[in-house]
Amino acid sequence: DIQMTQSPSSLSASVGDRVTITCRASQSIITYLNWYQQKPGQAPKLLIYAASGLQSGVPSRFSGSGSGTDFTLTISSLQPEDFATYYCQQSYSTLWTFGQGTKVEIK
Amino acid sequence: EVQLVESGGGLVQPGGSLRLSCAASGFTFSSYWMHWVRQAPGKGLVWVSRISTDGSSTSFADSVKGRFTISRDNAKNTLYLQMNSLRAEDTAVYYCARVLVSSGYFDYWGQGTLVTVSS
Repeated sequence: DIQMTQSPSSLSASVGDRVTITCRASQSIITYLNWYQQKPGQAPKLLIYAASGLQSGVPSRFSGSGSGTDFTLTISSLQPEDFATYYCQQSYSTLWTFGQGTKVEIK
Repeated sequence: EVQLVESGGGLVQPGGSLRLSCAASGFTFSSYWMHWVRQAPGKGLVWVSRISTDGSSTSFADSVKGRFTISRDNAKNTLYLQMNSLRAEDTAVYYCARVLVSSGYFDYWGQGTLVTVSS
C-alpha cells in the first residue's frame, strides 16, 4: 500500500495567517492527490483535486501544489471557518489511502 | 440536489454481522463508482472498499478483505456494505462517497452511520 504522511499533525494559527500543510507519499503518485477538509461531526469536504485543481465553490485562498511524492496545501489567509482537520488522499493505486490528518487550531 | 444517505448502523457483538445501505439521489447513480470510508472515534479517515459502476469490479482494504462485501443495486440507486465477523476495531462511522469514473476523488459524501462492535 502507498503510505501518506502529513506534517504537521497539528498546528496553531491566527486569523489572517498563511498556513501550509505538507503531504508525502511513500512512492510517486504523479498528481493523483486530493485534499479534504473535515469539521467536527461533519463529513469531509473536497477542497483540491489532482494536486492543484480547486473544487467548485471552494474559496480561492485554498491552493494545492506538488507532484511525485511531495504535495502542499496552502491557505493564504486563514479565516475563522477554516479551523478544521485536513486530509490528503491518493488515488494512484488500486487501494486508496489517506494521510493521518492535520488539525488546524486557533492560536 | 445530490444526496447520499447511509443507514443500517448500530450496536453489534464481536463476530456478528451488519449490512449498511447508502441511498443515492439527485444524480445518475449508475455513472459513478461508489466507495465506503470509515472513521474510528477521534481518528482519521480510512478507505474501506469500492465498487465499479456496474458492480463487476470491487476492491477492499486489507483490514476488511474476506470479511466485508460491497454491492450495489442500480435500479434502486442503493449501495451496500455487508460486514461479517465484526471486530472491536471495526467500530467507526461509515461514510459512503461517490467518485466520477476516472476522476480519482470523492466529490460528495454521505453524513455517515455509526457502527459499534462491543459485547
